[in-house]
Amino acid sequence: DADVTQTPRNRITKTGKRIMLECSQTKGHDRMYWYRQDPGLGLRLIYYSFDVKDINKGEISDGYSVSRQAQAKFSLSLESAIPNQTALYFCATSDFNSGSQETQYFGPGTRLLVL
Amino acid sequence: GNSVTQMEGPVTLSEEAFLTINCTYTATGYPSLFWYVQYPGEGLQLLLKATKADDKGSNKGFEATYRKETTSFHLEKGSVQVSDSAVYFCALGGQAGTALIFGKGTTLSVSS
Repeated sequence: DADVTQTPRNRITKTGKRIMLECSQTKGHDRMYWYRQDPGLGLRLIYYSFDVKDINKGEISDGYSVSRQAQAKFSLSLESAIPNQTALYFCATSDFNSGSQETQYFGPGTRLLVL
Repeated sequence: GNSVTQMEGPVTLSEEAFLTINCTYTATGYPSLFWYVQYPGEGLQLLLKATKADDKGSNKGFEATYRKETTSFHLEKGSVQVSDSAVYFCALGGQAGTALIFGKGTTLSVSS
């Protein structure tokens, strides 16, 4: 079983709709992240969370919100989707308590298309 | 602020050719450096890392050395295989334990 799972894997939605992308992990890591990947732009950080009570904005948080429901779950919401939010979204985790806390482990990605 | 610049692709090579993908960084302090690989249709996987100057990370025949004097962390492999075709990302450890900073990625295509 995968350590970091994302649902759904693919999603098509319409402009103005609210959608939620979910991420779950079984690694027991305290830190979780949401990135988006666009061709030619690499990965850009949307939000990150160092524990259940800690949420931080990343480079491109406008238009997004997150919820850390539990240590193992971190969801990303698009309150009112727009076409330029069409991208590949990745969730990642890392473990502060390990000797290599910066090493991140990625989920398989969610491909989102906003029409 | 901290940043990462890696060579633009795509890089197209024949099997058994030598590979170099350049990565340079700007950072305060002494961050850790990483190479991640993304195979088609998959998420990113850690390929190798180095945590201090002159460290060499290695994995699956790939190597990269943390060069503080040139602020570089170039990825090399002596003989690439078709199965190495993927997108490669250089990344920098963030300040005060914040998230990684990624380069834009370099696409490698290896033909037989």
